[in-house]
Amino acid sequence: QQKVQQSPESLTVSEGAMASLNCTFSDGTSNNFRWYRQHSAKGLEVLVSIFSDGEKEEGRFTAHLNRANLHVSLHIREPQPSDSAVYLCAVITNAYKVIFGKGTHLHVLP
Amino acid sequence: EAGVTQSPRYAVLQEGQAVSFWCDPISGHDTLYWYQQPRDQGPQLLVYFRDEAVIDNSQLPSDRFSAVRPKGTNSTLKIQSAKQGDTATYLCASSRQNYAEQFFGPGTRLTVL
Repeated sequence: QQKVQQSPESLTVSEGAMASLNCTFSDGTSNNFRWYRQHSAKGLEVLVSIFSDGEKEEGRFTAHLNRANLHVSLHIREPQPSDSAVYLCAVITNAYKVIFGKGTHLHVLP
Repeated sequence: EAGVTQSPRYAVLQEGQAVSFWCDPISGHDTLYWYQQPRDQGPQLLVYFRDEAVIDNSQLPSDRFSAVRPKGTNSTLKIQSAKQGDTATYLCASSRQNYAEQFFGPGTRLTVL
């Protein structure tokens, strides 16, 4: 069964500095990967969906996928304090099941 | 288009008490999911429905948890006799059949004392 691991568990960056989050998965047959943001007491917000190796940019959020290395990352350009939240990596299986990692707590200092 | 709505937003119980969570999916979405998200964990699927039929409830603790979607629209998740280990946020999501995009509600945060 697909396993998803995220690192680091917690990350603190200063406003304006690049934030980089990592995610590894165990089964390379999936071709649908997603990064979500979860603010306290809010639902999950989709940031980026990526389906093929390489890079996908959505505003200040860029995902990099390397299926050979079983790795997908998220880079946040010019993070702001309002970006402080939990970031969840998700792998969507061929049966449309969503397997989540445990999340990275991002803190952006003003 | 209204999003997925859930109620209540918060619940606090003593062990042994029962609680129900309610979810109203996006109109036209035939697939509905319930996830459990313990603190500092990612959401984990408990059960999902297509219309009124349960498709997969293999991760639902059947001795105390139950879920229904009688008319294929709204759904209720119930915990009969809550335990401290049930403390978590319960998320509902909906989607169209065979579409990977799931839309999540804000969740119900449950604390069992």
